[in-house]
Amino acid sequence: DTGVSQNPRHKITKRGQNVTFRCDPISEHNRLYWYRQTLGQGPEFLTYFQNEAQLEKSRLLSDRFSAERPKGSFSTLEIQRTEQGDSAMYLCASGLSGVLGYTFGSGTRLTVV
Amino acid sequence: ILNVEQSPQSLHVQEGDSTNFTCSFPSSNFYALHWYRWETAKSPEALFVMTLNGDEKKKGRISATLNTKEGYSYLYIKGSQPEDSATYLCASSLQNDMRFGAGTRLTVKP
Repeated sequence: DTGVSQNPRHKITKRGQNVTFRCDPISEHNRLYWYRQTLGQGPEFLTYFQNEAQLEKSRLLSDRFSAERPKGSFSTLEIQRTEQGDSAMYLCASGLSGVLGYTFGSGTRLTVV
Repeated sequence: ILNVEQSPQSLHVQEGDSTNFTCSFPSSNFYALHWYRWETAKSPEALFVMTLNGDEKKKGRISATLNTKEGYSYLYIKGSQPEDSATYLCASSLQNDMRFGAGTRLTVKP
């Protein structure tokens, strides 16, 4: 297992387009998290899955954002009608219930032009 | 809502200097305190997880302490090296998620 994998590493898109990011967690991890990090800020929590169930969503996750984790394995984060304010690093992390801490991926850097 | 603060925001030191950063967090509803090291273009790497008041952890030249009663943690780096240059993030967690500070960006000059 090579850790948490995120694709793509970088994405440049025009305002108004839809984008989708993928996260492949460590295979035995049942928890998966999405965070967003903008310049000068720490990672901000977006959403959390336990297996395939989305258990918590931040208020930051507007109606244009949707995340899925079908079958409790990989997850996708889709942003519809992107805005310049969506430009950020999107981080995925996975972990195990009952075990403190997560393993992070390298992130997907989104630039909306 | 957790509010995690880190200071300083950035730090420039010479190779060989020892340094430390502060993380403050709300002491109520505390579950665990995490330190991560994040180098550019890489994944954040877990350094320490601490849960008990008075916890001290050490990994090579890096160590951390925890005071849950007053809500702070210190990260120390002894004899900084250029490869220590990174952003150091702390996060306070409840059981299901973590809330991060903005990080301390450390630059170690040779």
